[in-house]
Amino acid sequence: QVQLVESGGGVVQPGTSLRLSCVTSGLRFNTYGMHWVRQAPGKGLEWVAVLWYDGTREHYADSVKGRFTISRDNSKNTLYLQMDSLKSEDTAVYYCATERTAVELDYWGQGTLVTVSS
Amino acid sequence: QAGLTQPPSVSKDFRQTATLTCTGNNNNVGDQGAVWLQQNQGHPPKVLSYKNNKRPSGISERFSASRSGNTASLTITGLQPEDESDYYCSAWDSSLNVWVFGGGTKLTVL
Repeated sequence: QVQLVESGGGVVQPGTSLRLSCVTSGLRFNTYGMHWVRQAPGKGLEWVAVLWYDGTREHYADSVKGRFTISRDNSKNTLYLQMDSLKSEDTAVYYCATERTAVELDYWGQGTLVTVSS
Repeated sequence: QAGLTQPPSVSKDFRQTATLTCTGNNNNVGDQGAVWLQQNQGHPPKVLSYKNNKRPSGISERFSASRSGNTASLTITGLQPEDESDYYCSAWDSSLNVWVFGGGTKLTVL
């Protein structure tokens, strides 16, 4: 049974940092590309970043480029999102999701809420 | 990064057929197709169809995806009350190297 569990969310002030984690189980983590997708309260889904299965390629949405860093530890089956210089518009539920060739956005976690507020 | 275009809402009668659309461009939907996701309030999204229009195991045959040019479509036949949900499309943009989402369509089953 595949499980993705996000953690690390919370309430932080603008300009500060936060690191999210996504611990996976029940899948061969090192064969999956991994995404972060967020959803602001009452809004639609917004893609944040993707990291290739082997960590060789990463891409970011313009809205977070230069502030957020996606990484992974395949030995721990864990995906991370380092979020720096947080803004109020980063307030959202952050989901991690998996991808393989021809099987995109297949598994999702339950999400972790990040609230950026002074 | 411009997103994909979806109608904000669609309403159809019980047991009828709904077709949801998702319009992009040559670099995203027109290039590789779109993923379709369903999201119920308070829950994470669930994938209904991959870019190749194939359904994951466990997804009802009432859900079928297709593509014509730069527009992807999700057709839901025999609408049921439980189909009332938010539906999103998403695609990889090979020019910008980003994933893009549509704004979502709220489907109401009357």
